[in-house]
Amino acid sequence: AQTVTQSQPEMSVQEAETVTLSCTYDTSESDYYLFWYKQPPSRQMILVIRQEAYKQQNATENRFSVNFQKAAKSFSLKISDSQLGDAAMYFCAYRSPFQGAQKLVFGQGTRLTINP
Amino acid sequence: EPEVTQTPSHQVTQMGQEVILRCVPISNHLYFYWYRQILGQKVEFLVSFYNNEISEKSEIFDDQFSVERPDGSNFTLKIRSTKLEDSAMYFCASSLWGLAGLYEQYFGPGTRLTVT
Repeated sequence: AQTVTQSQPEMSVQEAETVTLSCTYDTSESDYYLFWYKQPPSRQMILVIRQEAYKQQNATENRFSVNFQKAAKSFSLKISDSQLGDAAMYFCAYRSPFQGAQKLVFGQGTRLTINP
Repeated sequence: EPEVTQTPSHQVTQMGQEVILRCVPISNHLYFYWYRQILGQKVEFLVSFYNNEISEKSEIFDDQFSVERPDGSNFTLKIRSTKLEDSAMYFCASSLWGLAGLYEQYFGPGTRLTVT
């Protein structure tokens, strides 16, 4: 079974600075999908960024980018120019590529605080 | 932008009672999911549902749980005889049908279930 681990329960960063959230995972599958979800205090999870394991290029979405290290099974999220609205719980998630396996496997989450 | 909605936002019930949590997925989505998050723990997958049948379920989803799509818009999770350990936030999600991982899962805001 796949597992996802986020070793940083809490992180804080000054507004406009850069912060990196860590995520490692364990799987025997060679192809898969990885996600970062953001859960603001209103508690609705929103997809931030997605990475397909077969793609070597790291995904980017505006101020958000990932560092995907397949051999190390590491998938970190970098937030550049942090803004107050980035304060949230961030979850790393794994998904198998198979048609019948739709579930997301989540990490424990990292609570990110932005200091003004 | 279309959203997944869930009702009620908070449900308090006594141990042993039946409870039904309701979700309205995004209208053109065909895959539906339930997840739960016990306070301070990971978000855990419960069940996925496609074409009026369960596609995948976790070990948590035992005989006390059932899901139903009673009409063209609602998706429900029923817990027949609630236990104290069922207290959690329950999230509904939906996605388009297609290649696994290709389509984003959109989450609702959650229903906080408190079993006393």
